[in-house]
Amino acid sequence: QKEVEQNSGPLSVPEGAIASLNCTYSDRGSQSFFWYRQYSGKSPELIMFIYSNGDKEDGRFTAQLNKASQYVSLLIRDSQPSDSATYLCAVKRTEYSSASKIIFGSGTRLSIRP
Amino acid sequence: DAGVIQSPRHEVTEMGQEVTLRCKPISGHDYLFWYRQTMMRGLELLIYFNNNVPIDDSGMPEDRFSAKMPNASFSTLKIQPSEPRDSAVYFCASSSQRQGTGNYGYTFGSGTRLTVV
Repeated sequence: QKEVEQNSGPLSVPEGAIASLNCTYSDRGSQSFFWYRQYSGKSPELIMFIYSNGDKEDGRFTAQLNKASQYVSLLIRDSQPSDSATYLCAVKRTEYSSASKIIFGSGTRLSIRP
Repeated sequence: DAGVIQSPRHEVTEMGQEVTLRCKPISGHDYLFWYRQTMMRGLELLIYFNNNVPIDDSGMPEDRFSAKMPNASFSTLKIQPSEPRDSAVYFCASSSQRQGTGNYGYTFGSGTRLTVV
């Protein structure tokens, strides 16, 4: 079992709709959760982080965390063509330190169709 | 802030040659990470440093790979001898636990695309 699992996609969503990206993780000791966006040929870019159960909103993005189910999701409202990218879920064990390494999922490719 | 700076952007080399990848982290960041990304294996952590000291090199594939961080502003990843299966994009990332924002994610460099023929 991979430590961080994502559906590779591609996930196709019409422009203006809500895109929902999901991620599960295996280590119950994980405390910090991140979503990175990676455009083709570019480096990963951090877009959201969440540490507590529940929802965290930032503009059109909402991260959701359920530690009991070991599940993290990212919702993108009012999807735009510029949101087309690969979205990487990442987890880390220690909440207040960078001391632990971040493990990445393999990513979900999202395509927003006009 | 110039961000994490990697060089070269592209490297094409012949099998058996030595390859050196370079990274300058963000000033003030005390953690530095080397990742490798391929289609098959995704993003893999190779090694990371804290205050210039290697902390975890369990991801380094084999003895052909070595990494150094002689000071807070410079790190190298060396492959000697290189093999075609080393072809990948190599990313350097840096982070700080003193950012004070609660955000402990990493900032990635632009990457080095390595092709070994």
